[in-house]
Amino acid sequence: GESVGLHLPTLSVQEGDNSIINCAYSNSASDYFIWYKQESGKGPQFIIDIRSNMDKRQGQRVTVLLNKTVKHLSLQIAATQPGDSAVYFCAEVGNQFYFGTGTSLTVIP
Amino acid sequence: DAGVIQSPRHEVTEMGQEVTLRCKPISGHNSLFWYRQTMMRGLELLIYFNNNVPIDDSGMPEDRFSAKMPNASFSTLKIQPSEPRDSAVYFCASSLGGFSNQPQHFGDGTRLSIL
Repeated sequence: GESVGLHLPTLSVQEGDNSIINCAYSNSASDYFIWYKQESGKGPQFIIDIRSNMDKRQGQRVTVLLNKTVKHLSLQIAATQPGDSAVYFCAEVGNQFYFGTGTSLTVIP
Repeated sequence: DAGVIQSPRHEVTEMGQEVTLRCKPISGHNSLFWYRQTMMRGLELLIYFNNNVPIDDSGMPEDRFSAKMPNASFSTLKIQPSEPRDSAVYFCASSLGGFSNQPQHFGDGTRLSIL
């Protein structure tokens, strides 16, 4: 999962396996959450979002789960591909906007 | 559709020089954000505009930093004088309707090195 500080959490998965990236958010008043993917040399790219009135949302090969009780967000990537290798950030939005520090995903061919 | 366009992509300059970073948001987006990304501090929001008006500049590090948005299709972030500690990747992002209920769309950044 994500943490504040210098160390970027890492996750390595085999190609074809499912990936789960976790994020703990801090503000119980946050009501909108976004996952971004950042590849080397590029800006963060929007993947999927979810509002606090939902606990699950699915996109193409991605699912976001929200557990407001424990302030936890996860991103599931199905059938992970080499092109999924990147840093993934969660962002929480309430009256302010906060980016997490990111998780580095490496897909092993 | 064109995304957020930033220029230059890379800038190398000596300390004390003025640096100007430029951003063209996605057409129709009315909110614009400037971020700085470093390994030490991650992504930091510097300032954001809504309908060309600065709403929150509390993230601007100090008076050496200034940002303007003279119209809906252009913004600048200026550092004067620049210092080595300003070296970072600077991102511009835009969204439709603020940050509270719409995702931001990012440019590919300006990699700034101050020698």
